[in-house]
Amino acid sequence: KAGVTQTPRYLIKTRGQQVTLSCSPISGHRSVSWYQQTPGQGLQFLFEYFSETQRNKGNFPGRFSGRQFSNSRSEMNVSTLELGDSALYLCASSSQGWGPDTQYFGPGTRLTVL
Amino acid sequence: QKEVEQDPGPLSVPEGAIVSLNCTYSNSAFQYFMWYRQYSRKGPELLMYTYSSGNKEDGRFTAQVDKSSKYISLFIRDSQPSDSATYLCAMRLEGAQKLVFGQGTRLTINP
Repeated sequence: KAGVTQTPRYLIKTRGQQVTLSCSPISGHRSVSWYQQTPGQGLQFLFEYFSETQRNKGNFPGRFSGRQFSNSRSEMNVSTLELGDSALYLCASSSQGWGPDTQYFGPGTRLTVL
Repeated sequence: QKEVEQDPGPLSVPEGAIVSLNCTYSNSAFQYFMWYRQYSRKGPELLMYTYSSGNKEDGRFTAQVDKSSKYISLFIRDSQPSDSATYLCAMRLEGAQKLVFGQGTRLTINP
């Protein structure tokens, strides 16, 4: 089975712009979670989608949003970019999203905000 | 205070040594415990996954969970230079997908 894929792998944006990141989960997986990784804060949970519905949301401002499509692919959007949004954005997928389900991570999208 | 505490290191050991990595946590409701390995510029890779107190072994890796002490460990036997990476502990509640991570320990195995 192919793993979790994320596109693009690298992005450079300027402050005030917006950005959309894409994640394709492992085939058959229905839950997709997004995380932000920075040297200072480590890995932090952004949100989780299951069957096109957001089930959980982390403690991030409303500029961070996401959605999931009927084929389980997911996108996250960051509007009005700030310098502090520079990070590695990771997507993880799991089969059903409950019980002892495990999450598998993609390679990440590295976003640099100038 | 963070929910999950992990010594960020760095930790440097000679090849063949036994490595011990640890995390403590404050939320006794955590039910599932994981160790991920992350190489530079890559996504985290799942190494070990446990959901009860006790030991779980997989090859050179042993994961240990002590729920009464709120303490988890990862042991690496016969460490190899290819084990050089950042090791992240993670845990979550029953019924939730949100993973709460430790800060990660940067490990270097010297040939």
